[in-house]
Amino acid sequence: EDKVVQSPLSLVVHEGDTVTLNCSYEVTNFRSLLWYKQEKKAPTFLFMLTSSGIEKKSGRLSSILDKKELSSILNITATQTGDSAIYLCAVGSGNTGKLIFGQGTTLQVKP
Amino acid sequence: EPEVTQTPSHQVTQMGQEVILRCVPISNHLYFYWYRQILGQKVEFLVSFYNNEISEKSEIFDDQFSVERPDGSNFTLKIRSTKLEDSAMYFCASSYSLNEQFFGPGTRLTVL
Repeated sequence: EDKVVQSPLSLVVHEGDTVTLNCSYEVTNFRSLLWYKQEKKAPTFLFMLTSSGIEKKSGRLSSILDKKELSSILNITATQTGDSAIYLCAVGSGNTGKLIFGQGTTLQVKP
Repeated sequence: EPEVTQTPSHQVTQMGQEVILRCVPISNHLYFYWYRQILGQKVEFLVSFYNNEISEKSEIFDDQFSVERPDGSNFTLKIRSTKLEDSAMYFCASSYSLNEQFFGPGTRLTVL
């Protein structure tokens, strides 16, 4: 059975800290790995990774995929209170666009 | 910036009733999806839709569920006879290709 596992499940840090969120997967017909940020309702897209070892970066956020280890990390540097959210990892499988989600990591950034 | 919209934001219904959840995907997108998230649980895939037909559906998407794209802009999810366990947040998503999907704000369905 396909599965996506995220760790840690929750994390509390202080503003300015750097955090690393982990995602591992066992998915047949891997197509891509995506990271989303979920604040109140809709997941908002952060990154899509398809190739191993190529870092994607957007401001203080960056992510990389390791296809050999079947995993990905999401780094957030110099965290701010606005980074508080649930971070979702999802793996695209097959050729229909189906996404398989992990359970999410809840990040709380304290002032 | 274009976005996916969903209506209603919250729907309360009695068990056994039919509900229709509506979505307007981003206008030039070709792939459409429904997901659900039961409170405290993972986001789960329900169905994907391309070229006016279902391309994949999950085990959750049984005969009680159906999807339709009745015109060039709307994408609907119908649940024929709701059960208590259908209570969840339902997200619509769309994508231009089999890449990043953009999600709507969700419809919270409460079945009493």
